[in-house]
Amino acid sequence: GAGVSQSPSNKVTEKGKDVELRCDPISGHTALYWYRQSLGQGLEFLIYFQGNSAPDKSGLPSDRFSAERTGGSVSTLTIQRTQQEDSAVYLCASSPPLAGIKTQYFGPGTRLLVL
Amino acid sequence: AQKVTQAQTEISVVEKEDVTLDCVYETRDTTYYLFWYKQPPSGELVFLIRRNSFDEQNEISGRYSWNFQKSTSSFNFTITASQVVDSAVYFCALSAHNTGTASKLTFGTGTRLQVTL
Repeated sequence: GAGVSQSPSNKVTEKGKDVELRCDPISGHTALYWYRQSLGQGLEFLIYFQGNSAPDKSGLPSDRFSAERTGGSVSTLTIQRTQQEDSAVYLCASSPPLAGIKTQYFGPGTRLLVL
Repeated sequence: AQKVTQAQTEISVVEKEDVTLDCVYETRDTTYYLFWYKQPPSGELVFLIRRNSFDEQNEISGRYSWNFQKSTSSFNFTITASQVVDSAVYFCALSAHNTGTASKLTFGTGTRLQVTL
């Protein structure tokens, strides 16, 4: 079946603008995760959803970052008033229902560049 | 707190050589999962293997093998007879084993493997 998809694949924005990144998980996967990969910080966890709720949002770096998930499927990560340090690749992953295997499968990422 | 250390930043080998990528982890959890992911130049993280902390049996899959040693908190990855297509960044990761809830991955900093002809 189809894997995790993310859009856009690339996004260039100006400092101070808001951006929305979208993730479409693998069908039937109940858990969804956002990570960020940057040169200085490596791969960092941002937030995870179980269904539509977010039990762990401890990795969100500031209140400019928010995420939501609707219908237990698509998720949107929003960054408000972007800063240059937000430039990174934003990765989304999903994993099957809890009773099953907890392996996370990743999408291709959204490369964000803030000028 | 959880921590994963991949001390090897970059490794270069000639094709057909064997290569081992090291991974050392720290966790206070009594049960946990360990993972290896491959990130080729295309950028997508590809799942390779998952190991449960209560299962120390080593695993072999084709040219890949994994050596899990709980006593030394290590989960090393060996590629036998390396090929150019193995060139990628390899990440070791750790997650807690929580029943009833999912768990985030804690990643190491990755090891870049370059295989040349």
